[in-house]
Amino acid sequence: KQEVTQIPAALSVPEGENLVLNCSFTDSAIYNLQWFRQDPGKGLTSLLLIQSSQREQTSGRLNASLDKSSGRSTLYIAASQPGDSATYLCAVRGNTGGFKTIFGAGTRLFVKA
Amino acid sequence: ETGVTQTPRHLVMGMTNKKSLKCEQHLGHNAMYWYKQSAKKPLELMFVYSLEERVENNSVPSRFSPECPNSSHLFLHLHTLQPEDSALYLCASSQGTGVRNEQFFGPGTRLTVL
Repeated sequence: KQEVTQIPAALSVPEGENLVLNCSFTDSAIYNLQWFRQDPGKGLTSLLLIQSSQREQTSGRLNASLDKSSGRSTLYIAASQPGDSATYLCAVRGNTGGFKTIFGAGTRLFVKA
Repeated sequence: ETGVTQTPRHLVMGMTNKKSLKCEQHLGHNAMYWYKQSAKKPLELMFVYSLEERVENNSVPSRFSPECPNSSHLFLHLHTLQPEDSALYLCASSQGTGVRNEQFFGPGTRLTVL
C-alpha cells in the first residue's frame, strides 16, 4: 500500500530565503508525481508534474526533483516571497489501487515579510 | 481559475437534510473526480467518472451518491450525513483517466454537518 509522507508539516522562513520541501513515498512503482499548492479554504493548483521517466521539472522559481529508487521528491523554492505562503501537497499516481492518486498531508509554509 | 467550478462554496446542513454539490468543468475533459479533504488528513479519492460512467467507488458510504449526467457536470448528492462528514469536498477533472493525465481541481465546497 502506497504511503506518502511530507516533512516538515509546517515551515516558517524569512522572505528571500531558499527552501526545500520534502516528499517521500513507500512504493517506487509510480507513474508520476505532482506538486500542488493550496491556499486556505481553496482548491488545489498544480505546480509541477514529473513523469516517472523524468528527474526534474522547473517552473519559474520552483524546481521539483524525483528519485524513484529512493522514493523521494523535493520541491525547491528560490527567493521565497510572502505570496508563497500556502500549503504544498505532494501526490503520487501509481499502478496500485486503480485510478487512485495518493496525497501527502502537506507542508504548511509561511514566508515572513 | 482552473476551468473547474463548484457550487455552493459553503454549505451547512443538518443530519436529516438532503443537499447536492455541483461541479462543472469547462475544459472539454472526459474524466471527473470527487475528493474529500478532512482537517489535517490527506485528500481521499471518493469517486471517478470516465465518459459519464463510474469507474471507481473508493468504499464510500451510501449516504454519498454521485451523479454524472454528462462529461461536463458532476454532482454529489448528500443525505443523512454525520458530523464527521464535515470537510472540504473537491472536484477535479482530467482529459482521461490514464496515468499521464493531469488533474485540474475546483475551489471546493466547505461542508459543515450539524
